[in-house]
Amino acid sequence: NAGVMQNPRHLVRRRGQEARLRCSPMKGHSHVYWYRQLPEEGLKFMVYLQKENIIDESGMPKERFSAEFPKEGPSILRIQQVVRGDSAAYFCASSPIPQETQYFGPGTRLLVL
Amino acid sequence: DQQVKQNSPSLSVQEGRISILNCDYTNSMFDYFLWYKKYPAEGPTFLISISSIKDKNEDGRFTVFLNKSAKHLSLHIVPSQPGDSAVYFCAASGGGSQGNLIFGKGTKLSVKP
Repeated sequence: NAGVMQNPRHLVRRRGQEARLRCSPMKGHSHVYWYRQLPEEGLKFMVYLQKENIIDESGMPKERFSAEFPKEGPSILRIQQVVRGDSAAYFCASSPIPQETQYFGPGTRLLVL
Repeated sequence: DQQVKQNSPSLSVQEGRISILNCDYTNSMFDYFLWYKKYPAEGPTFLISISSIKDKNEDGRFTVFLNKSAKHLSLHIVPSQPGDSAVYFCAASGGGSQGNLIFGKGTKLSVKP
């Protein structure tokens, strides 16, 4: 009964590099949400995806950030040309249907040097 | 503008006593509320939820109360245990969002033996 899986758990990048964060939802869940948590802050919604579709990306910065959830494989959050302000914990959550309880993964802690 | 507010950054309670964590919201269209517990370096763990058609939901030591007229909810933990020490996040959905959660900034609960 695997929960939401995220990898890597920790990621260090230099400014200007690309960061790729992966999320495998719980079995039977086809709705994936990405959130970002800055130090001393709550979690902020970034993007909501279903298989092969972006449903809501209103919380995602317009530049450098993109997300996908292909038919096969995990959901990927990609950050191009990272800057120090991108350093944060990125959490993925999944649910079986919209408006249902979301279950979170352990997060990926991104550090940009 | 913060739509979900947790005004107490921290709370300290003696073991065996009741812990009461509070949360206020501004969007009257929110229709589903959740509480998550988070340990350092881990993802949020779902605790309990409540739909806006109810005013109380209970699960073991955890009870959530919803006061729609005051736009206020609270989480009661009784009796409190040292293992309950964590950061507690209140979250809400609905209000035009497509399933994404709006989080408060969290309250750090310390339960002292």
